[in-house]
Amino acid sequence: DTAVSQTPKYLVTQMGNDKSIKCEQNLGHDTMYWYKQDSKKFLKIMFSYNNKELIINETVPNRFSPKSPDKAHLNLHINSLELGDSAVYFCASSQTPGLRGLYTQYFGPGTRLTVL
Amino acid sequence: DQQVKQNSPSLSVQEGRISILNCDYTNSMFDYFLWYKKYPAEGPTFLISISSIKDKNEDGRFTVFLNKSAKHLSLHIVPSQPGDSAVYFCAASKTAGGTSYGKLTFGQGTILTVHP
Repeated sequence: DTAVSQTPKYLVTQMGNDKSIKCEQNLGHDTMYWYKQDSKKFLKIMFSYNNKELIINETVPNRFSPKSPDKAHLNLHINSLELGDSAVYFCASSQTPGLRGLYTQYFGPGTRLTVL
Repeated sequence: DQQVKQNSPSLSVQEGRISILNCDYTNSMFDYFLWYKKYPAEGPTFLISISSIKDKNEDGRFTVFLNKSAKHLSLHIVPSQPGDSAVYFCAASKTAGGTSYGKLTFGQGTILTVHP
């Protein structure tokens, strides 16, 4: 049973193309996240959705657009891909963060995006 | 501006010995700290956490120590096992007031290799 799954695992594409990465979780969580791991290996949060509502939107180019059709899915669409978008993208999910703390985030296996 | 730093890119220890992984942070608003472990081609998995009201938390072979005055935390693994070989990420969050919405700030990771 895969808790958080992402497709595709690898994505190789040309500059200027538009691509999507899909994420699904079967943990019953209300909150989902997208992280980017860049070439320096830092994991940085990009977006977070709670019950299909955007709650975290870090400084990310407008070319990146997350879409949450329901609580179990959070997809990432990237327009006009650039060389600098090459990275590993991780999806994660958790219970709704509360006033007294946060809950464990469960990560997907990652999608390695290579822009040529 | 990296608010969470792991200054040792790698660490090599002998099986049965202690592994000590270090992490420094700069943001005094962080009040919750976590360690994640990552194997190749997999997403990070939660290992252990500590709230800023504590200075130590223990779970089996894993102990996390927090020194708030030094803005430093460490993860001790005793005894180290070959299966512990992985990348270890330190992460921090501001949970007070519930406004972080689960945002985690990660360090760049330390590669731990445990030799048989």
